Amino acid sequence: DTGVSQDPRHKITKRGQNVTFRCDPISEHNRLYWYRQTLGQGPEFLTYFQNEAQLEKSRLLSDRFSAERPKGSFSTLEIQRTEQGDSAMYLCASSLDAYGYTFGSGTRLTVV
Amino acid sequence: QQQVKQSPQSLIVQKGGISIINCAYENTAFDYFPWYQQFPGKGPALLIAIRPDVSEKKEGRFTISFNKSAKQFSLHIMDSQPGDSATYFCAASKGRYGGATNKLIFGTGTLLAVQP
Repeated sequence: DTGVSQDPRHKITKRGQNVTFRCDPISEHNRLYWYRQTLGQGPEFLTYFQNEAQLEKSRLLSDRFSAERPKGSFSTLEIQRTEQGDSAMYLCASSLDAYGYTFGSGTRLTVV
Repeated sequence: QQQVKQSPQSLIVQKGGISIINCAYENTAFDYFPWYQQFPGKGPALLIAIRPDVSEKKEGRFTISFNKSAKQFSLHIMDSQPGDSATYFCAASKGRYGGATNKLIFGTGTLLAVQP
């Protein structure tokens, strides 16, 4: 399968714990995006990488959130001290140019 | 601030009918308007997209109509099938003017149910 891969698919964590999600983009795609989707809403932009450089972060990305893309390959999104409001689907997408994103199936986070 | 407004929130259509979903945008710098289809438990998948230099684009049973002066665009699904039952999102981005990011701004989604 050559699509965007996200791991884990589901994560249940207790409030206050740290969680980390991984995204493996399509291999030749140099652009990588993280989005967050809550129930009944469209995805909201979180952050963008071009190769290994993080070029934009949304105001939605509080200081408890951090993302990395070492060597311009896979990316990780870490949430520290999780809160119930962090419960959502976290989507990763990659693209080769400014258009035509390919999304992964997402990581569904539930904070209890 | 909702930059892309989508309606209706939900839609029920009979098999073989036409499904129509509408979106309106505010930012005239947007120059790329895709529609995404999302099934439960899956990420959004690109269905069809249009640039503002054309008023209509058709791919199979799916058509985007674009009205630049009204800042509106719509998705038409002809001969709707039960397999089309999904959530549909419109989106917009500033491809040429958005700098390096070209982030997508999504509508709130339309849940389509096609009854057999």
